[in-house]
Amino acid sequence: EAEVAQSPRYKITEKSQAVAFWCDPISGHATLYWYRQILGQGPELLVQFQDESVVDDSQLPKDRFSAERLKGVDSTLKIQPAELGDSAMYLCASSLSGTVYGYTFGSGTRLTVV
Amino acid sequence: GNSVTQMEGPVTLSEEAFLTINCTYTATGYPSLFWYVQYPGEGLQLLLKATKADDKGSNKGFEATYRKETTSFHLEKGSVQVSDSAVYFCALMKFSGANSKLTFGKGITLSVRP
Repeated sequence: EAEVAQSPRYKITEKSQAVAFWCDPISGHATLYWYRQILGQGPELLVQFQDESVVDDSQLPKDRFSAERLKGVDSTLKIQPAELGDSAMYLCASSLSGTVYGYTFGSGTRLTVV
Repeated sequence: GNSVTQMEGPVTLSEEAFLTINCTYTATGYPSLFWYVQYPGEGLQLLLKATKADDKGSNKGFEATYRKETTSFHLEKGSVQVSDSAVYFCALMKFSGANSKLTFGKGITLSVRP
């Protein structure tokens, strides 16, 4: 069964350092999402890509977060500088364009900022 | 805007007990509705879905019926198992082509005792 790959699985970083997460969606999935899940809460959308273009980044804290999907396949989410409040699970998901059937999530990257 | 409200948790049940987890939503038009499950340390897995009013989604003994008149999508299972212990998220998707996104509730933790 096809999966969404994410790495690293866990990341511990110090406050003010830079950190990056990588996601490889299911082959053929044009839409890619990054979600942030704070402990005890539901996931919240950070950014959505359609191929290489950003469709929605209204909830992305652009002063410190950036995301790219240069060739419309894999994607990188970066935080610089990291803050204590960024500690969370970062989930990547992908879907076929135009589907109403939900999408497939990766296993996530658990970020701890110390 | 779109939103999902889940009942407060956590929920603790004995094995073979009946499970109901309430979920209501606010959205214009006709969203698709989903239940996702998250096992400890993992990403989200799609449990079941319904795309129109009166549809019943089902999977692994879980069921939920899309009730337009009460804007609800309650999750039920007749006999829970220890392996059902996880966090359950209700979500909706308002389809708008390339800009479709999932909106999640806060989630509820289910613990099943042997």
